[in-house]
Amino acid sequence: RKEVEQDPGPFNVPEGATVAFNCTYSNSASQSFFWYRQDCRKEPKLLMSVYSSGNEDGRFTAQLNRASQYISLLIRDSKLSDSATYLCVVNSGTASKLTFGTGTRLQVTL
Amino acid sequence: GAGVSQSPRYKVAKRGQDVALRCDPISGHVSLFWYQQALGQGPEFLTYFQNEAQLDKSGLPSDRFFAERPEGSVSTLKIQRTQQEDSAVYLCASSLPVARSGGGTDTQYFGPGTRLTVL
Repeated sequence: RKEVEQDPGPFNVPEGATVAFNCTYSNSASQSFFWYRQDCRKEPKLLMSVYSSGNEDGRFTAQLNRASQYISLLIRDSKLSDSATYLCVVNSGTASKLTFGTGTRLQVTL
Repeated sequence: GAGVSQSPRYKVAKRGQDVALRCDPISGHVSLFWYQQALGQGPEFLTYFQNEAQLDKSGLPSDRFFAERPEGSVSTLKIQRTQQEDSAVYLCASSLPVARSGGGTDTQYFGPGTRLTVL
């Protein structure tokens, strides 16, 4: 079983739609959680950190459920520019090593 | 300011050749990481440096892979006797330690990667 699991998609949604991605992690000792965004043939870039209380950044909302070892990302009012791969990322606490999921591909269409 | 830079951006090697990939981290960043990203996969951890000390090399797939950061800034990932399964994008990332960043997490900033193709 992979340490971080995500549905690879693709998720094809129309502009303006709300879309949610889920992720599960297996290491209960994990301490920090993130969503990264990766455009085609580009490097991953931090989208947002994920906190236990849940956090929001504009159209993006992230949630963490430590008991279920589950992380989510909600994107409201999708834009064409949101099309990318969204990587669920967990810091195991060992020297800040990041463990990535395989990513969920989002395609927003007109 | 300048981000993480990597060179070369693309490298084609014949099977059996040695390659060296370079990473220039953000100035002042203590921590440096190497990741390998195969097509359709997320990045996978290879190794980690804090200053010049290699603190974790558990992700290096074989003894053909070697990384160094002799002066605590620039790092080189070397792959000896390359094989086709080494074909991937090699990403470098750097970060400040949490205690110095003032934040609650070590944000890692990634370079553009080196795309290695082994024929």
